[in-house]
Amino acid sequence: DTGVSQNPRHKITKRGQNVTFRCDPISEHNRLYWYRQTLGQGPEFLTYFQNEAQLEKSRLLSDRFSAERPKGSFSTLEIQRTEQGDSAMYLCASSLGDRHQPQHFGDGTRLSIL
Amino acid sequence: GQQLNQSPQSMFIQEGEDVSMNCTSSSIFNTWLWYKQEPGEGPVLLIALYKAGELTSNGRLTAQFGITRKDSFLNISASIPSDVGIYFCAGPFLQGAQKLVFGQGTRLTINP
Repeated sequence: DTGVSQNPRHKITKRGQNVTFRCDPISEHNRLYWYRQTLGQGPEFLTYFQNEAQLEKSRLLSDRFSAERPKGSFSTLEIQRTEQGDSAMYLCASSLGDRHQPQHFGDGTRLSIL
Repeated sequence: GQQLNQSPQSMFIQEGEDVSMNCTSSSIFNTWLWYKQEPGEGPVLLIALYKAGELTSNGRLTAQFGITRKDSFLNISASIPSDVGIYFCAGPFLQGAQKLVFGQGTRLTINP
């Protein structure tokens, strides 16, 4: 299966700790997206990359959040000094850059802050 | 900002029944996407619609892009237990934009 891969699948950490998640997109997809999903809600956009360039960031992405895609392939999302409100499912998606190419999602990383 | 409103929020049906759900927006969308999400998994794309009035099927699923461009419908015929999950509509925040905005989902429960 060559779908979007995310790890870890689950992360439990204490408030104040830093966490990092990884996303491996579908190969040859040049666009990569991060979303956050809380219980009972649809995913909310955080940021997206075209190749290695981060082209858009949501206001949800506070200065404690940083995302990188250094070689235009996998991406990492880091949250510094985690807070209770950061508990959520973090979803990664990827797509081709052509028009009418829908986003395909990974199974997410569920973050729980103690 | 743009919001997508899905209805109903939840449905409880008997196996074999047909299902209809819809998604509306106060703004025009040029693309409508329907995803299904099961517990512990990411959303899986079911159907993509790119043209007003378009009617597209994927097995027992049929979705339509409303003529007004402000709504879309998803129908499931002859439901089976594996149809259980949360169905989300989604579309680009702005024309040509990359980020998607999602509805709050319709939770489907099926009684065998």
